Amino acid sequence: GAGVSQSPSNKVTEKGKDVELRCDPISGHTALYWYRQRLGQGLEFLIYFQGNSAPDKSGLPSDRFSAERTGESVSTLTIQRTQQEDSAVYLCASSLGLAGTKQFFGPGTRLTVL
Amino acid sequence: RKEVEQDPGPFNVPEGATVAFNCTYSNSASQSFFWYRQDCRKEPKLLMSVYSSGNEDGRFTAQLNRASQYISLLIRDSKLSDSATYLCVVNGMDSSYKLIFGSGTRLLVRP
Repeated sequence: GAGVSQSPSNKVTEKGKDVELRCDPISGHTALYWYRQRLGQGLEFLIYFQGNSAPDKSGLPSDRFSAERTGESVSTLTIQRTQQEDSAVYLCASSLGLAGTKQFFGPGTRLTVL
Repeated sequence: RKEVEQDPGPFNVPEGATVAFNCTYSNSASQSFFWYRQDCRKEPKLLMSVYSSGNEDGRFTAQLNRASQYISLLIRDSKLSDSATYLCVVNGMDSSYKLIFGSGTRLLVRP
């Protein structure tokens, strides 16, 4: 079946603009995760959803970052007033459940803020 | 101290060599352990879970030492296609859902 998909694959934006990144998880996966990976760095956890709820938003770097999920499916990560330090690859993953179950990643969105 | 620590490498080995990576984690309550593989400019892909008794998948063997809080990955008969960054992953300190990724160990297999 289809894996996790993300769009756009690449996004170049100007400092101060808002961007929306989309994630389509594997069908039937109730848990969805967002990570950020800066060049040459490890993965940084941002937020997770169980169904449409996000119980823990503490990983979001600032209040410019928000995320939502609808229909227990698609999720959108929004970054307002982008800054150059937001440049990174944003990865989405999904899993059948929580409790450390295996996560499957999408190809990521490479965000460049000029 | 980082929650998951790995030697960044690179490990540069000839084809056919056996290579081992270690990873240490700080949360003694962690219950879930994985190795992921990440190719350059690609997303991480699950390589294998790590079980308490140790487990093997073809040329790959993973072991867990709870007492010392480290995880190992052994790759036998290295192939050129094994060249990648190997990420050690452990569930987080404050909950079981949050996976904490190490920064990865880079492996280069040369002809």
